[in-house]
Amino acid sequence: NAGVTQTPKFRILKIGQSMTLQCTQDMNHNYMYWYRQDPGMGLKLIYYSVGAGITDKGEVPNGYNVSRSTTEDFPLRLELAAPSQTSVYFCASRRGPGEKLFFGSGTQLSVL
Amino acid sequence: EDKVVQSPLSLVVHEGDTVTLNCSYEVTNFRSLLWYKQEKKAPTFLFMLTSSGIEKKSGRLSSILDKKELFSILNITATQTGDSAIYLCAGGTNTGNQFYFGTGTSLTVIP
Repeated sequence: NAGVTQTPKFRILKIGQSMTLQCTQDMNHNYMYWYRQDPGMGLKLIYYSVGAGITDKGEVPNGYNVSRSTTEDFPLRLELAAPSQTSVYFCASRRGPGEKLFFGSGTQLSVL
Repeated sequence: EDKVVQSPLSLVVHEGDTVTLNCSYEVTNFRSLLWYKQEKKAPTFLFMLTSSGIEKKSGRLSSILDKKELFSILNITATQTGDSAIYLCAGGTNTGNQFYFGTGTSLTVIP
């Protein structure tokens, strides 16, 4: 099993550009999450999904969109990138309530 | 507002020392407390605690939860340079949808 796979690992965007961060998991987990991690700030939840076709906002959803058309994939879309979106982004998944989170290796995004 | 607070923010110790990392939480419908170790990139799982007073151990690491006082500690004995990392704790809810993460404790172990 590959676990949780994120692509790309690094990306530099110009202000106003758009991009999609890809996340896929092969563990048949229902729950998937997107977090961002800023220095000294811990992990903040952007969006999450409890199953295909279901998504919901987390603590910091502004400027992002998600979709969950399959159990495996949970892409995060940035529209009109801003410098405030410079961060490390982690995708995570888990089987269900009461289970631990499995993390992907992260995407380092810089918006200049 | 749900929150998780970790202390200290950073810690520098010598190899062989014992360290205690603290995590206090205020999480509505609290269900579980998780500890993760983050070295280069992705956090890796250490412990999940759901019951008060029951210590979980893995090698030199151990952790315990106090649901009355709303805190958890992570102990590392006989520290090694490989223990250098950021240690994150997170509170999970009964609704099962969210985890609230602390800002982490940065541990540096000097040879």
